[in-house]
Amino acid sequence: NAGVTQTPKFRILKIGQSMTLQCTQDMNHNYMYWYRQDPGMGLKLIYYSVGAGITDKGEVPNGYNVSRSTTEDFPLRLELAAPSQTSVYFCASSYLKSGRETYEQYFGPGTRLTVT
Amino acid sequence: GESVGLHLPTLSVQEGDNSIINCAYSNSASDYFIWYKQESGKGPQFIIDIRSNMDKRQGQRVTVLLNKTVKHLSLQIAATQPGDSAVYFCAENPITNSGNTPLVFGKGTRLSVIA
Repeated sequence: NAGVTQTPKFRILKIGQSMTLQCTQDMNHNYMYWYRQDPGMGLKLIYYSVGAGITDKGEVPNGYNVSRSTTEDFPLRLELAAPSQTSVYFCASSYLKSGRETYEQYFGPGTRLTVT
Repeated sequence: GESVGLHLPTLSVQEGDNSIINCAYSNSASDYFIWYKQESGKGPQFIIDIRSNMDKRQGQRVTVLLNKTVKHLSLQIAATQPGDSAVYFCAENPITNSGNTPLVFGKGTRLSVIA
């Protein structure tokens, strides 16, 4: 299994441009998440999804959109890039087991985004 | 709102010594806690987890201790090695009326191992 994969690894955007960060997992996980991590800081949740067709806002959703049309993919869309969105973006997934629930999240390698 | 915090932002340890990384949590309803390790330029990697019905759990060279009375979590690394140098995050899973909620991460502690 490749686990959680993210593309691109790096990207530079101009203010006002738009882009989609791709995230795919091959572990058949039902939960998927998007986080941003600013330099020297912890992870802030942007959006998450508990299954295909279901998404919910996290702590910092403004300026972002998501969709979850399949179990495997969870793209993150930036419509009008702003310098405040310069960060490293991590996608993660987890599986909720019946009976014994587990919350371990598996993270992708990250996308480093710079908006200038 | 509820938050997960850490006592120390940085920790320097001599190679071979034991490391202890502390974490305070404020949500008494949290029932699950995780420690992650993040090396430079990489995504967080799972180390060990513990549920609220336990107070100690051991892995390979790592031990997590949970003190629910004072809402404190710690990660102990035995015989610290240079490869242990990283940022360590604790995370909690609060239980709410809406059911499962995503993990809440702390700011992290940077562990530097001195050879």
